[in-house]
Amino acid sequence: DARVTQTPRHKVTEMGQEVTMRCQPILGHNTVFWYRQTMMQGLELLAYFRNRAPLDDSGMPKDRFSAEMPDATLATLKIQPSEPRDSAVYFCASGLLAGARNEQFFGPGTRLTVL
Amino acid sequence: AQSVAQPEDQVNVAEGNPLTVKCTYSVSGNPYLFWYVQYPNRGLQFLLKYITGDNLVKGSYGFEAEFNKSQTSFHLKKPSALVSDSALYFCAVRFGGSGNTGKLIFGQGTTLQVKP
Repeated sequence: DARVTQTPRHKVTEMGQEVTMRCQPILGHNTVFWYRQTMMQGLELLAYFRNRAPLDDSGMPKDRFSAEMPDATLATLKIQPSEPRDSAVYFCASGLLAGARNEQFFGPGTRLTVL
Repeated sequence: AQSVAQPEDQVNVAEGNPLTVKCTYSVSGNPYLFWYVQYPNRGLQFLLKYITGDNLVKGSYGFEAEFNKSQTSFHLKKPSALVSDSALYFCAVRFGGSGNTGKLIFGQGTTLQVKP
């Protein structure tokens, strides 16, 4: 049963520390998305990739956030330095872009708390 | 601009009664429409989608949705609600056609509360 995996599932850190979240998309999927979910803002798209190339990261604060795909099996989202307002659940999703018909598959999320 | 609206923050229904979670969209071109469900402390799970064809789409767990082009709506329905259906539901839309990047636009979500 193929699924998206994310690590860590929970992360508590102090303000100013670097945070790295990892995602393993479903094998064969060629699009990867990073979302952030908070009570106030709901579900926000931060960045997405197609065939490992970044297509749009306009939803991400550029000064502190960065997203990469070092290879087809790993996507990373990094925050440096972290701030309390970054506390949220971060989801990774992957999909197979074929005429835009296919759904995205979400990982379980990383719950980040920045103190 | 492309957008999705879920006009109700919360829907309350008694177990065994029919339920409807509303979604309207605004998108140029042919829309591809999706419903996802999120249970507490979990990621979003795909429920169903409308791409083309029959306006009534059937999905997982007995859910269905009706695409109405004239009203630009894609309401989620179930004939008989279960307590276990209580969750957060998201409607999403994607613009079809050339230049599509796979990006989904999500609504704000509707909390469904089914009471025994």
